Amino acid sequence: DQQVKQNSPSLSVQEGRISILNCDYTNSMFDYFLWYKKYPAEGPTFLISISSIKDKNEDGRFTVFLNKSAKHLSLHIVPSQPGDSAVYFCAAKGNSGGSNYKLTFGKGTLLTVNP
Amino acid sequence: DTAVSQTPKYLVTQMGNDKSIKCEQNLGHDTMYWYKQDSKKFLKIMFSYNNKELIINETVPNRFSPKSPDKAHLNLHINSLELGDSAVYFCASSFGVGNQPQHFGDGTRLSIL
Repeated sequence: DQQVKQNSPSLSVQEGRISILNCDYTNSMFDYFLWYKKYPAEGPTFLISISSIKDKNEDGRFTVFLNKSAKHLSLHIVPSQPGDSAVYFCAAKGNSGGSNYKLTFGKGTLLTVNP
Repeated sequence: DTAVSQTPKYLVTQMGNDKSIKCEQNLGHDTMYWYKQDSKKFLKIMFSYNNKELIINETVPNRFSPKSPDKAHLNLHINSLELGDSAVYFCASSFGVGNQPQHFGDGTRLSIL
């Protein structure tokens, strides 16, 4: 029962272009969404997040968009750089009881930015 | 200045053995977590501790026993290791209240022979 889905296992983009990573969720109790970046043999590193009361959050080259009605979020990276090549995980958190104390992750998307 | 550090990074052992993984955070967080990343690459919550108290035990076998001696440490002891326990185990920490990101350690790769 995958409550957070990243349907693209991989994405390849040219340096300087936009990277768009997508994520869908099924649990309507999720109200906080995060993107993590992971290099091999390292832990996930927090990138950017968005609360369900917003539809967009921007931090430098990274922007996350949330469409609550579609239960869909996306991460835009502009411009993409070779150092952005990593696995990107989408994660979600609920706001009540135990769901406030755990993240539910997608399976990740491997982004490759070609020079 | 590692924020969340876990040891060891690699652990290779025989089936049936008992092993421990240690985790420490210096971020002043009050909540700590253990996640398991299996061969299918899913990261799944195992345990959450808030102020040293167990909040979540996500149907983990009781061979796994977490211990939180203080808010900065959350250790994981595993008894009678099985082949299916082979995975990467990640420790994380955060502030428990509100929408706060969790910060992860670099993981412990456990291999059962």
